[in-house]
Amino acid sequence: SAVISQKPSRDICQRGTSLTIQCQVDSQVTMMFWYRQQPGQSLTLIATANQGSEATYESGFVIDKFPISRPNLTFSTLTVSNMSPEDSSIYLCSVEPDRSSYEQYFGPGTRLTVT
Amino acid sequence: SQQGEEDPQALSIQEGENATMNCSYKTSINNLQWYRQNSGRGLVHLILIRSNEREKHSGRLRVTLDTSKKSSSLLITASRAADTASYFCATGNYGQNFVFGPGTRLSVLP
Repeated sequence: SAVISQKPSRDICQRGTSLTIQCQVDSQVTMMFWYRQQPGQSLTLIATANQGSEATYESGFVIDKFPISRPNLTFSTLTVSNMSPEDSSIYLCSVEPDRSSYEQYFGPGTRLTVT
Repeated sequence: SQQGEEDPQALSIQEGENATMNCSYKTSINNLQWYRQNSGRGLVHLILIRSNEREKHSGRLRVTLDTSKKSSSLLITASRAADTASYFCATGNYGQNFVFGPGTRLSVLP
């Protein structure tokens, strides 16, 4: 398994601003993922972030809106840019420590409210 | 899409009773996983079952997988108030990312 922390745990932001969310893992992992969970909804994958390469975005998500950095094997950031109230969600990062096991482990999430 | 769909959407039971949640999906999978989420926080990995397995146990949890029916069930026995949470299934396949179902909200009443 892996222990994952996220910062901030929650934030309230104004429309038009940007927020960067940090994800830190206690071990080196190749695969990191960012998910969005809108209120009362399930999780939707935003992008996969592998160290040393550009993030791969899912349909409906673009780099200009959700730029991702992955500077090393234990850390990643997701920025939510030019926020609107529709971006109010929980944002979660996850890792897959052992590619052969297919198990993903999640951080505690960042609860974002945009006013 | 191989999205999992949980059934029921919400379930309310008394402490001590068993809770059963079902997950259906649409295409072939390599594995299916169940997660728990308390009060909109992070997800806790409960159990993974591979496509060549039919049943797995972990403590009070029992998961079954029927690939012919493209369905899985999660049974929580002797439920406790602390089991109150949302439960999600997620399906996975080689070279593809997870797809999460909409979840079942379980309420265990004391």
